[in-house]
Amino acid sequence: EVRLVESGGTVVQPGGSLRLSCAASGFTFSIYSVNWVRQAPGKGLEWVAYISARSNTIYYADSVRGRFTISRDNAKNSLSLQMNSLRGEDTAVYYCARSAIAAAGTFDDWGQGTLVTVSS
Amino acid sequence: EIVLTQSPATLSLSPGDRVTLSCRASQSVNNYLGWYQQKPGRAPRLLIYDASNRATDIPDRFSGSGSGTDFTLTISSLEPEDSAVYYCQQRLNWPLTFGGGTKVEIK
Repeated sequence: EVRLVESGGTVVQPGGSLRLSCAASGFTFSIYSVNWVRQAPGKGLEWVAYISARSNTIYYADSVRGRFTISRDNAKNSLSLQMNSLRGEDTAVYYCARSAIAAAGTFDDWGQGTLVTVSS
Repeated sequence: EIVLTQSPATLSLSPGDRVTLSCRASQSVNNYLGWYQQKPGRAPRLLIYDASNRATDIPDRFSGSGSGTDFTLTISSLEPEDSAVYYCQQRLNWPLTFGGGTKVEIK
């Protein structure tokens, strides 16, 4: 069974930093690209960042580029998102989402999400 | 950035009804369009990828069609458990983008 388990969400002050993690199991993590997707309270879905299987290709949404950094450790089956200079509009549930191999850019499995609240 | 517009915003239908949801892209996405279902408090679930391919374990009452800029998700016979928000998403270009969602309510 594919499992993606996010952690690290909490309340943080504007301008602060936070690191989210996603632990993967039940599949060969090292051959899949993965993403972070977020959802502000009561709003729709927003793709945040992408990292390829070997970390050689990385993309960011304009809203987070320069502030967020996606990374992965294939030896530990883990994905991370380092978030700096956090703003109120970054408040959201952050999901770790796997990209389908047969349809890159399609999210075929998701974690349960972790809530980040940016507030003073 | 490719903008996806979903309509209607909300639908209220009865069990057994046929449901048609629309997603229109601001430019052609070929067939690189997926559909997701999200229930309250839950993560999204992939239903359809590349316009018309059902994902693993998705019931065959869900089907997708379209290409270019106009796409449709059809639920052939609505079940009570289909109450959810449905999102379309394109994978042709970066940034990957989602539509605003259609909420399906059961009468």
